[in-house]
Amino acid sequence: EPEVTQTPSHQVTQMGQEVILRCVPISNHLYFYWYRQILGQKVEFLVSFYNNEISEKSEIFDDQFSVERPDGSNFTLKIRSTKLEDSAMYFCASGEKAPDWIQETQYFGPGTRLLVL
Amino acid sequence: GENVEQHPSTLSVQEGDSAVIKCTYSDSASNYFPWYKQELGKRPQLIIDIRSNVGEKKDQRIAVTLNKTAKHFSLHITETQPEDSAVYFCAAAGGYQKVTFGTGTKLQVIP
Repeated sequence: EPEVTQTPSHQVTQMGQEVILRCVPISNHLYFYWYRQILGQKVEFLVSFYNNEISEKSEIFDDQFSVERPDGSNFTLKIRSTKLEDSAMYFCASGEKAPDWIQETQYFGPGTRLLVL
Repeated sequence: GENVEQHPSTLSVQEGDSAVIKCTYSDSASNYFPWYKQELGKRPQLIIDIRSNVGEKKDQRIAVTLNKTAKHFSLHITETQPEDSAVYFCAAAGGYQKVTFGTGTKLQVIP
């Protein structure tokens, strides 16, 4: 069964450094998402991406964040200047286009645990 | 925006008993309600979902009910087993938009 994959599984960085988190969505999916989960808390939406542009973003997704689909398979999340509070598990998700107006199922990757020191 | 409330935050049941987790949502436009199971340090795994054109869905020991009028939905796990122990998240979404998660229920099944 195809799965969403993410690299790296863990990332440790110094405050102020840039990090790029990588995701390979399921191949026939058209909708891509990033979520984050601070330890012990709920999963929070960051951004959704469709047709090579951001379709929705949360208030968390400020100017320090950007997303890109540089080729036909990868979907990346860049944090330009990391802060301590960016430490969290970051999940990528993808969904295929449903045949009707009802929401498609989103499938989550294994996550990247980011630790900012 | 959507707001999803989930109760209880923790739930302990004896093996073989049933577990029920309840959620409410605020946005009447939401039409998709997935439930995720998350084991420690792992990704959220979709276990069941329901769309607004149905009121109930069952998959073996797991069932979900949806009351659109009252804007609440529930997860029912019957004949619980120790491997059901995890954090369960309800969520709501509408029309290709973000999934808004509840705050999670830590379920412990006591052997």
